[in-house]
Amino acid sequence: IAGITQAPTSQILAAGRRMTLRCTQDMRHNAMYWYRQDLGLGLRLIHYSNTAGTTGKGEVPDGYSVSRANTDDFPLTLASAVPSQTSVYFCASSDEFSGPDTQYFGPGTRLTVL
Amino acid sequence: LAKTTQPISMDSYEGQEVNITCSHNNIATNDYITWYQQFPSQGPRFIIQGYKTKVTNEVASLFIPADRKSSTLSLPRVSLSDTAVYYCLVGDLNSGNTPLVFGKGTRLSVIA
Repeated sequence: IAGITQAPTSQILAAGRRMTLRCTQDMRHNAMYWYRQDLGLGLRLIHYSNTAGTTGKGEVPDGYSVSRANTDDFPLTLASAVPSQTSVYFCASSDEFSGPDTQYFGPGTRLTVL
Repeated sequence: LAKTTQPISMDSYEGQEVNITCSHNNIATNDYITWYQQFPSQGPRFIIQGYKTKVTNEVASLFIPADRKSSTLSLPRVSLSDTAVYYCLVGDLNSGNTPLVFGKGTRLSVIA
């Protein structure tokens, strides 16, 4: 069982470039989430999706977009990357039975925007 | 969503019991209390959850007083491998998939 996979593991990106971080889960969880983690700021929710076809904004959505075309995939896109988006990005999922309190996290993507 | 407050950091020696307290004064009737653990360079992982009194599993114990305005995560006999950031979250399991707020957590450093 893979759980949640994220790609790439790390990436260095020039400012202004477009970038999509991939997230795939094989647990058939209905809900998925994207967080960013910065030193001293903890985990902050960017976007989430309660079920395929729906998305919602978290605490820090600006500069990011998501889509949820199916249950398994939840890509995060930076349309025009800026240095302040340098961070570690975590994808997570949860099922409707355990609720949002029980989230399973991926290994993270370390993104550096220069 | 109920706001939580926990210490920024704690230090402990190996073999000691560590108690991390989280305050959640505005906890609602339907809210559960959940703790996550995050090791360096990894995503957080769920460790324990409770509603009231005491919950124990193979990793930790969770103590919740009657007024539920705080909770204490107890780690028995910590080892160096327990060095991690611990997050306290409060949320309503029955409210659908309402996202939770993780906050900054408590950074536990275990010293040999």
